[in-house]
Amino acid sequence: SQTIHQWPATLVQPVGSPLSLECTVEGTSNPNLYWYRQAAGRGLQLLFYSVGIGQISSEVPQNLSASRPQDRQFILSSKKLLLSDSGFYLCAWTLKAGQGTYEQYFGPGTRLTVT
Amino acid sequence: AQTVTQSQPEMSVQEAETVTLSCTYDTSENNYYLFWYKQPPSRQMILVIRQEAYKQQNATENRFSVNFQKAAKSFSLKISDSQLGDTAMYFCAFGMSFGNEKLTFGTGTRLTIIP
Repeated sequence: SQTIHQWPATLVQPVGSPLSLECTVEGTSNPNLYWYRQAAGRGLQLLFYSVGIGQISSEVPQNLSASRPQDRQFILSSKKLLLSDSGFYLCAWTLKAGQGTYEQYFGPGTRLTVT
Repeated sequence: AQTVTQSQPEMSVQEAETVTLSCTYDTSENNYYLFWYKQPPSRQMILVIRQEAYKQQNATENRFSVNFQKAAKSFSLKISDSQLGDTAMYFCAFGMSFGNEKLTFGTGTRLTIIP
């Protein structure tokens, strides 16, 4: 069975510090991967998605970047955090087109607080 | 571009009663998928139910069922015999069948089950 991991679970960082959030998927290969941000009490905002190693699409211009160094690893980064980067970050995966029904499976999330 | 609208920001219902959450969407496509996700206080996103647009029969999963009206572009979720564990945010989501594997999410409905 497939599982998705995210770490850390919680993070408190000062403004201007760097960020690295990691997401890994087990039990499947060549998945599509996604990073979402959820502000308190709000819906999901798609930040980045990736269809393969080194292939990153950005949905919203922002202070963040993403990388996919390995097939099942997706990293969200920032060189200098802003207060507005605070939120709940969710990683998700899905099968490729034609392989399934496109539901996304989510990780447990990372709660980021920028102080 | 597709849009998903959830017009009920908050709802509450007595335990054991039935509740219906509304979702409408806008698309020019004919083949697509629709999903309901649940986000309990733990913030883990959990798939509740999915519906393929080409299927006329409404999907059901135990106490959860949908009313899919393709012509009206409506996709409501009915929860029967509601339980305290159903307390959560519920998100409606739209996904394309071909090529574009991104999901578009609504803004969510916060459901509270009252004991």
